[in-house]
Amino acid sequence: EAQVTQNPRYLITVTGKKLTVTCSQNMNHEYMSWYRQDPGLGLRQIYYSMNVEVTDKGDVPEGYKVSRKEKRNFPLILESPSPNQTSLYFCASSLSGGFGTEAFFGQGTRLTVV
Amino acid sequence: AQTVTQSQPEMSVQEAETVTLSCTYDTSENNYYLFWYKQPPSRQMILVIRQEAYKQQNATENRFSVNFQKAAKSFSLKISDSQLGDTAMYFCAFMNGGTSYGKLTFGQGTILTVHP
Repeated sequence: EAQVTQNPRYLITVTGKKLTVTCSQNMNHEYMSWYRQDPGLGLRQIYYSMNVEVTDKGDVPEGYKVSRKEKRNFPLILESPSPNQTSLYFCASSLSGGFGTEAFFGQGTRLTVV
Repeated sequence: AQTVTQSQPEMSVQEAETVTLSCTYDTSENNYYLFWYKQPPSRQMILVIRQEAYKQQNATENRFSVNFQKAAKSFSLKISDSQLGDTAMYFCAFMNGGTSYGKLTFGQGTILTVHP
């Protein structure tokens, strides 16, 4: 089954404790991105990757890191999480970034930083 | 920068009735794409419908259709014969065809409740 898999689905952590949210897609997609969803703000792009070893900042990159060492994986790293990073996070992938190609989303990760 | 505005935080409709969700956007680009995504309580983001800006014909997908008014920068979603399974949050989204490659800009979302 074609899908984007995120783990974990729920995570509660403490301020300053490094964490990684994993994202993997099995559709051989080139373009991958991370979004955060907050009430009243919709979804906002954090980082994106156009292909292996090519990543760039989205609209809200502060406090996050990403890497794209393999085409299928695009982990999101919070090296020192803070309470303002409490949010719902989505990984998405698409065949390419252009021509309005459909983005496929993971199931979301609910992160709480206390 | 592009912006997307959904001015209706919540809407409700009776089963089998028709409801329209509003969306406006702001862009100086001429080549772009517009989307409606559905997010049920499961949190899964599901593509409902897609519209290319260069196409004048409004997109339709079964009970879902859009009213795309390019000059007014308006992109509303009409749901006909509403069903209980349509209860969800709906997001309008914009994608530039040129720069900002692949980035989706989302509106704030509209929570739709379908009542039996």
